[in-house]
Amino acid sequence: EVQLVESGGGLIQPGRSLRLSCAASGFTFDDYAMHWVRQTPGKGLEWVSGIGWNSNYKAYADSVKGRFTISRDNAKNSVYLQMNSLRVEDTALYFCAKDMSIAVAATPFDFWGQGTLVTVSS
Amino acid sequence: DIQMTQSPSSLSASVGDRVSITCRASQYVSSYLSWYQQKPGKAPKLLIYAASSLQSGVPSRFSGSGSGTDFTLTISSLQPEDFAAYYCQQSYIVPWTFGQGTKVEIK
Repeated sequence: EVQLVESGGGLIQPGRSLRLSCAASGFTFDDYAMHWVRQTPGKGLEWVSGIGWNSNYKAYADSVKGRFTISRDNAKNSVYLQMNSLRVEDTALYFCAKDMSIAVAATPFDFWGQGTLVTVSS
Repeated sequence: DIQMTQSPSSLSASVGDRVSITCRASQYVSSYLSWYQQKPGKAPKLLIYAASSLQSGVPSRFSGSGSGTDFTLTISSLQPEDFAAYYCQQSYIVPWTFGQGTKVEIK
């Protein structure tokens, strides 16, 4: 059974940093690209970042480019999101999602974690 | 960025009804269109990918159609467990983008 478990969320002040983690199990982790997607009541679902199976390709939404960094450790079956210079508008539920393919390509997300809540507030 | 617009934003229907939700892309996305179902407090679940391919384990009452810029998700006979929010998503061009969602409620 595929499982994705996010962690690392919490309450953080604007301008600070936070690192999210996603532990994967139930599939061959290094056969698939991975993504982070966030959700807010106001803006709905927003894709944040994706990373290919071997970390060669990484992509970011414009809203986080230059502030967030995605990475993965295939030995630990984990993907990470380093979030720097956090803003109030980054407040959201952050989901880790598995791609259907090995690359960040034209394929959807076939499994999602339950999410970790990030609240940016002073 | 490609904007995805769903209609309606919400609808009320009864068990057994045929329900259709449309999704329009602001530019061409070929058939790189997926549909997700999300229930309160849960993660989204993939229903349809490549516009019309049914994800494994998803009931056959769900179907998808369309290509280019206009797409439709149809539930042929609404069941109690289908009351949820539905989202379309394009994966043609980065950044992947989602529709704003359609909430299907019980009439």
